[in-house]
Amino acid sequence: AQKITQTQPGMFVQEKEAVTLDCTYDTSDPSYGLFWYKQPSSGEMIFLIYQGSYDQQNATEGRYSLNFQKARKSANLVISASQLGDSAMYFCAMREVQTSGTYKYIFGTGTRLKVLA
Amino acid sequence: KAGVTQTPRYLIKTRGQQVTLSCSPISGHRSVSWYQQTPGQGLQFLFEYFSETQRNKGNFPGRFSGRQFSNSRSEMNVSTLELGDSALYLCASSFTRSTDTQYFGPGTRLTVL
Repeated sequence: AQKITQTQPGMFVQEKEAVTLDCTYDTSDPSYGLFWYKQPSSGEMIFLIYQGSYDQQNATEGRYSLNFQKARKSANLVISASQLGDSAMYFCAMREVQTSGTYKYIFGTGTRLKVLA
Repeated sequence: KAGVTQTPRYLIKTRGQQVTLSCSPISGHRSVSWYQQTPGQGLQFLFEYFSETQRNKGNFPGRFSGRQFSNSRSEMNVSTLELGDSALYLCASSFTRSTDTQYFGPGTRLTVL
């Protein structure tokens, strides 16, 4: 079973508008972390935002915010005021503790966002 | 503060050869993880090193190995290359193993002919 699911393979958004990228996760670990990364065509993964499972407030970082709905196990990324430079692949990831006590990061399949001028 | 650096950025090898990729983490970061990214399989975890010891390993054959040096720099080695090893290899560093955020390097794009 997929632990991180990103159901939107591709999205379009008009410049200056907001866009929501969906992410659902599955874990039985009570302590976990959720991340969003941006990957431009150059290949580098750029960290955007983090949400801890115990955080009461939704995380925000500039134009990025994470809509964390714990009961629904969803962690959607909201990008406000989209810019042309936001065009990239976006990955949702989860960090969970395994039975061995080690940490593991699991990535979704990504959503390709295209911002239109 | 400089980010994660990876060398080389591009590499072309032929089947049967071996290759070594290098990763220098962000200064002060002690944990280094390696990932393989392909269009078909997405991002897959290879292994993690912390304090010169492999702490975690993904489901890859023994042809994939790595090590970490005392200065936290890490190398990854792939022996007896196969066509399917063509991928973007990403290295990520974090301050400690319990720290939540991994920061990635630009990757090494390996092409196996």
